[in-house]
Amino acid sequence: SAVISQKPSRDICQRGTSLTIQCQVDSQVTMMFWYRQQPGQSLTLIATANQGSEATYESGFVIDKFPISRPNLTFSTLTVSNMSPEDSSIYLCSAGTGGAGSYNEQFFGPGTRLTVL
Amino acid sequence: KQEVTQIPAALSVPEGENLVLNCSFTDSAIYNLQWFRQDPGKGLTSLLLIQSSQREQTSGRLNASLDKSSGRSTLYIAASQPGDSATYLCAVRKGTALIFGKGTTLSVSS
Repeated sequence: SAVISQKPSRDICQRGTSLTIQCQVDSQVTMMFWYRQQPGQSLTLIATANQGSEATYESGFVIDKFPISRPNLTFSTLTVSNMSPEDSSIYLCSAGTGGAGSYNEQFFGPGTRLTVL
Repeated sequence: KQEVTQIPAALSVPEGENLVLNCSFTDSAIYNLQWFRQDPGKGLTSLLLIQSSQREQTSGRLNASLDKSSGRSTLYIAASQPGDSATYLCAVRKGTALIFGKGTTLSVSS
């Protein structure tokens, strides 16, 4: 299994500002993902963080709003840009081993609870 | 489009009861199904992973079954304890993404 940590664990931000969330995995993993959990809702995939190349975004999510970096096999960041109250959610980092054709167990970090005023 | 439904949305039981949580999905062409537990304000803890070729998986007091052809999975919890109180999420994998249900919130009273 993989142990995933996220920083910050929570933050309260002002409208129009940006927040960068960091995700660290304790071992090298092939796949890293970012999810959003809006209040009372289930998890929605934002994007797959690709090491050394641009992230792959799901429908409804764009790079300008959610830029993602993944400089190596254990670390990724998600930035929530130009925030509005609608961005208030829990953001979760996830990781899995194996390639795109190998369907292994996926693990999650503790999440970052973001409140935008 | 794959949709995942979990029933019931909430469940309250006394300690010691055996219980079943249900998960259904609309597209049977999945690679695997994973059950998670989420405690309030926390991240997700992986409980069980069932590959598409498997029928069930067991871990301690937990048993998960998968009937891919009918688009159903169940999570069986034996001899429930207050520490089992949490939200249980079912997720299916098709391609890269895990697609989640909204969860069943379980409360076990002592």
